[in-house]
Amino acid sequence: QVQLVQSGAEVKKPGASVKVSCKASGYIFTNYPMHWVRQAPGHRLEWMGWINAGSGYTQNSQKLQGRVTIGWDTSASTAYMELSNLKSEDTAVYYCATRGYMYDSLDYWGQGTLVTVSS
Amino acid sequence: SYELAQPPSVSVSPGQTASIPCSGTKLGDKYASWYQQKPGQSPVLVIYHDTRRPSGIPERFSGSSSGNTATLTISGTQAVDEADYYCQVWDASLALFGGGTKLTVL
Repeated sequence: QVQLVQSGAEVKKPGASVKVSCKASGYIFTNYPMHWVRQAPGHRLEWMGWINAGSGYTQNSQKLQGRVTIGWDTSASTAYMELSNLKSEDTAVYYCATRGYMYDSLDYWGQGTLVTVSS
Repeated sequence: SYELAQPPSVSVSPGQTASIPCSGTKLGDKYASWYQQKPGQSPVLVIYHDTRRPSGIPERFSGSSSGNTATLTISGTQAVDEADYYCQVWDASLALFGGGTKLTVL
């Protein structure tokens, strides 16, 4: 069965960077895109970007342009999301999610990774 | 910028029908998806392509779309359906989410 297992919670200081990983299993990793979505406490879901896990092509949201880097390691079936120059408003739960494995939308989600930015 | 508007909250009595609208100027050209999110949990896809229901999602969940509004309908609402619901559309490979609606089953 499809599983997306994310790395553990992080606490970072303002200005630092954080890297969240998402290990996929149960399907051919390179066949489906991986998206990243975050949710600040009490706020809406916010799309951050995606990676074509076959080619490595990425697109990021304009709001986070320049601060977010999405990558992958096909040998480890793992996608990564790195956010730099962290601010307090980046405190959120970060999710990875596949698109299109079963259904043409975000059909499988990771368990989420809480990133706390605090001085 | 393009936005999707949802009411912040909807209340329904058990056994009744809940309708959650999602409006956006380009909804008529795009398919809507809907996600259910319970506290402390990851979102779950409940409707995609406006009306299609993934396997395992109860039949009481249905979706529709007309003009610039997509609607999630829950028939015979149960207490277990109390959650936040988000609409979402694709703009090519970019995703846009609505603001979310908290469904309360009174």
